[in-house]
Amino acid sequence: GENVEQHPSTLSVQEGDSAVIKCTYSDSASNYFPWYKQELGKRPQLIIDIRSNVGEKKDQRIAVTLNKTAKHFSLHITETQPEDSAVYFCAASSSGNTGKLIFGQGTTLQVKP
Amino acid sequence: DSGVTQTPKHLITATGQRVTLRCSPRSGDLSVYWYQQSLDQGLQFLIQYYNGEERAKGNILERFSAQQFPDLHSELNLSSLELGDSALYFCASSVALAGGPGNEQFFGPGTRLTVL
Repeated sequence: GENVEQHPSTLSVQEGDSAVIKCTYSDSASNYFPWYKQELGKRPQLIIDIRSNVGEKKDQRIAVTLNKTAKHFSLHITETQPEDSAVYFCAASSSGNTGKLIFGQGTTLQVKP
Repeated sequence: DSGVTQTPKHLITATGQRVTLRCSPRSGDLSVYWYQQSLDQGLQFLIQYYNGEERAKGNILERFSAQQFPDLHSELNLSSLELGDSALYFCASSVALAGGPGNEQFFGPGTRLTVL
């Protein structure tokens, strides 16, 4: 069935360091891969996304890379700041004519000042 | 603020009861999605509506149902509630039905359901 595996489940870095979160998806028909940031008790916020016709996308300190052959994609955060501390979720679109997203289990990122 | 609104913010009820959660999508969005987030769990897709029609179903229990009204707001009905139904329920909306530009999903603030 459809599945998205996300690693690591927790990640602790020093302020200023880089953080990388990796996801693997199972459905080869997936073509849309968003990343969401969720602070405690808040809604998930879309921070960046990538479509299958692109290998990399960057927005200031965050970037996402996609390897369709290997069916994995990664989130890279550079120059981390304490306010980057949150839970990050990756997701992959489901096949078929729907907007259904399959989410990974989340990564809790802690940035230590 | 994503522009997606959900009411109520919190709901406390007893086992066996029935509740209705409400969602209003962003202006112009035709798709509405419902997700369940249990404690320490990821986001589980429940159901998608597009312009009033059901378009996709996830692992939604038979005790749960939803609908999207002509004004595009949506309601999620949960009945015969059990302790395990306690969770955060999020609604999201997008312009498009499926892939391509416009399918970005924006989440509402959620409804926290506690079943005692």
